[in-house]
Order: sequence, then C-alpha cells, then structure tokens
Amino acid sequence: GENVEQHPSTLSVQEGDSAVIKCTYSDSASNYFPWYKQELGKRPQLIIDIRSNVGEKKDQRIAVTLNKTAKHFSLHITETQPEDSAVYFCAANTYSGGGADGLTFGKGTHLIIQP
Amino acid sequence: NAGVTQTPKFQVLKTGQSMTLQCAQDMNHNSMYWYRQDPGMGLRLIYYSASEGTTDKGEVPNGYNVSRLNKREFSLRLESAAPSQTSVYFCASSERQGDQETQYFGPGTRLLVL
Repeated sequence: GENVEQHPSTLSVQEGDSAVIKCTYSDSASNYFPWYKQELGKRPQLIIDIRSNVGEKKDQRIAVTLNKTAKHFSLHITETQPEDSAVYFCAANTYSGGGADGLTFGKGTHLIIQP
Repeated sequence: NAGVTQTPKFQVLKTGQSMTLQCAQDMNHNSMYWYRQDPGMGLRLIYYSASEGTTDKGEVPNGYNVSRLNKREFSLRLESAAPSQTSVYFCASSERQGDQETQYFGPGTRLLVL
C-alpha cells in the first residue's frame, strides 16, 4: 500500500517568513495530493490540493508543488501570520477510478509562527 | 447544511465494553470513511465505504466493525474496547470531482478506554 513520509515534524518560523513542508510517497499510481490544516481540537480542513497532471498550484499565500518523477510534493506558505500556526498534514490517494480508496496521511507537521 | 456530524463528542469506556460511533452526512456523498488519530501518528484509515452497501478495510481495521446503514450514515462499532483504542475518531465523506476525491471531516469523537 501507499506510504507517505512528511518532514519536518515541527517547524518554527518568524512571522512574515516563509515555511516549507515536504512529503514523499511510495506508490507511483497515486494521483491526488491534498493538504489539510488542523487547529488544536478541531477537525482537519482541506487548504489546497494538486493532481498528478499538474506541477504547481497557488492560492494566495499558499502553494503546492509536485515532482512525480521523484515522488515528492511540498507545501509553501509565504508571509506567515499567527493564524497559520497549526498542524499540517499531507496525504496521497491511489484513486483507481472504480471508487474511493481513502487517503494515506503523513504524520503531520506542527507549524509554529513566532511573533 | 450541517456537513458531516458525529456522535458522541466524548466517551469513556471500560475495557471490554462495546459502543457504536455514529456518523452522518447531508452532502449526498457516495463515499464515507473512518479514521483514527493518535499523537505523532497522523490519521490512519480504519474502514471505508465507496458506496452504499459496500465496505472495505483500511490500514488498521482490527477490533472494529462498520455498517453503511444508508447513503447518509456510516457507523463504527467497537465490540470489546481495549485501552489501545483510546484515540480521536474522525468520520469523513467525499465527493468525486474528475480525478480527485475531496474529503470533508466531521468534528471527531474523543474516546478514552480505561
């Protein structure tokens, strides 16, 4: 099955700086890569996603890049703000076309924005 | 439109007790999932249901059973709870948009097994 590795486990950056979180996946058949943000005590919420036929996607201050050859994808947050402090999870889905198989998640990155 | 709802929010069980976690969605999604979340382990898939009437095992199914009661509801049952099942349980549902399935999560159920 799919295996997703996520680094780092904790990331502390100064407010206004950029943050980068990296993930690798094992199954070359994976074709969908979402990122979720989870605030303390809350549910995970989708913030951005990318499909395997796209190399980069941006949404305001966040962007995701995908390298299919190397089987890794990254989340980039620019101009970080205090409200960006949370745990971020990457995930990968092997979507067979016959139905949903669920998501395999990385273990999460605790992003801390220092004032 | 409530999205994905879960009951109960919190539960304390003694070892060997049984319980059912309830999940419902009002978004007319075909697929539903149960995950557990443990510190440092991320979210791990327990069971999923690609459509009404079907269920499949995920990464960590041992000790659990599920029922897809209808399109809206997907329940998770612990027949004989163990301390190792202390966790936060999230239900999710998804819609298919082309090649991607966007999953929406419920608020979670915090379970403590003593």
